[in-house]
Amino acid sequence: DTGVSQNPRHKITKRGQNVTFRCDPISEHNRLYWYRQTLGQGPEFLTYFQNEAQLEKSRLLSDRFSAERPKGSFSTLEIQRTEQGDSAMYLCASSLLSHNEQYFGPGTRLTVT
Amino acid sequence: AQKVTQAQTEISVVEKEDVTLDCVYETRDTTYYLFWYKQPPSGELVFLIRRNSFDEQNEISGRYSWNFQKSTSSFNFTITASQVVDSAVYFCALSEDSGNTPLVFGKGTRLSVIA
Repeated sequence: DTGVSQNPRHKITKRGQNVTFRCDPISEHNRLYWYRQTLGQGPEFLTYFQNEAQLEKSRLLSDRFSAERPKGSFSTLEIQRTEQGDSAMYLCASSLLSHNEQYFGPGTRLTVT
Repeated sequence: AQKVTQAQTEISVVEKEDVTLDCVYETRDTTYYLFWYKQPPSGELVFLIRRNSFDEQNEISGRYSWNFQKSTSSFNFTITASQVVDSAVYFCALSEDSGNTPLVFGKGTRLSVIA
């Protein structure tokens, strides 16, 4: 079984543009998490899903951010009207409900110019 | 509110030295889980260990060992006989309740092992 995959790995965009990232979790993992990591910091929680249901959103997640997991498999994270402060590594993780280790993907590095 | 503090920002050791990475946590929950992750230069976070709040036994896995002390709210990580491949950023994290909830991470400790 492959691990968590994320696409794209890198994204450079101009301020004001919209971007969308995709995360494919480990097969059969019920829970899927999105985190954001900036330089020199630990990952910060954004939102998470159990199957297709979005269970929680962080205060960090402004209304420009939206996430979906339509069929309980892959997830997308969209950022509208990007700002330079959105530049970060966006990490996805997944876990089984019965086991609470979260396994992380390689991340998508976003640079907003 | 939950919080994880890793006071050591950077540590540098010579190969074969032992090194301990400190982690102090805060939580009001009586049930919680603690984790350590490794982030090598490639960037992908690698799960190392999970510990629940009811299990204070220390754990050893090869050159790695973990010391969990509820009395001091600490979950420290020791690498014995460090190797260059151990160079990475190490994160301690906390999850409340069942542990299947979002992780709260510390800021990480960057370990450099010099040959």
